[in-house]
Amino acid sequence: DVKVTQSSRYLVKRTGEKVFLECVQDMDHENMFWYRQDPGLGLRLIYFSYDVKMKEKGDIPEGYSVSREKKERFSLILESASTNQTSMYLCASQIRENQPQHFGDGTRLSIL
Amino acid sequence: GENVEQHPSTLSVQEGDSAVIKCTYSDSASNYFPWYKQELGKGPQLIIDIRSNVGEKKDQRIAVTLNKTAKHFSLHITETQPEDSAVYFCAADGSSNTGKLIFGQGTTLQVKP
Repeated sequence: DVKVTQSSRYLVKRTGEKVFLECVQDMDHENMFWYRQDPGLGLRLIYFSYDVKMKEKGDIPEGYSVSREKKERFSLILESASTNQTSMYLCASQIRENQPQHFGDGTRLSIL
Repeated sequence: GENVEQHPSTLSVQEGDSAVIKCTYSDSASNYFPWYKQELGKGPQLIIDIRSNVGEKKDQRIAVTLNKTAKHFSLHITETQPEDSAVYFCAADGSSNTGKLIFGQGTTLQVKP
């Protein structure tokens, strides 16, 4: 089975802090994704990566950056956290296009 | 832009009844349509998917139908059980061939015992 592991289930940070969310997959998948999930808005794509050191903006990249130095790890960075970034963050990996995405269990991030 | 609309947003059924969730998509080049189930405190889990060369697919109590002409696809759950209670998401791939999925807004299904 594919395993996507997000480093924290719950995280509380302060406004202005730099926040790192980590995601690791164990199946040598090419593609990885970061989403945020808010009530009534579904899953919105922040950034994705289709190869090591490659990244593309999703639908809501403002205020976020990403890093993919190794194939198995995809990090989401909040450069200067703000209260409107309080949300559930989901990471997913995918072996290649037109295949299922496999999700981690999410990180619930609160910015105070 | 690419869009997936999902209805209804909430659905309540009695145990044993059927449940149907419907989605429409905007990009006629979409070819892959997965459905996910998200239980409380967990990430979405793939439950079934369908590709554009197939009109219907079934796996035990769940089935998905696809009408490419109308750009509709639907999830059917028969003989619902309380453990089917969850949030369900439909999705469609985009035309960019990057692996991106466009998700519907989600349906909260409640199965009453």
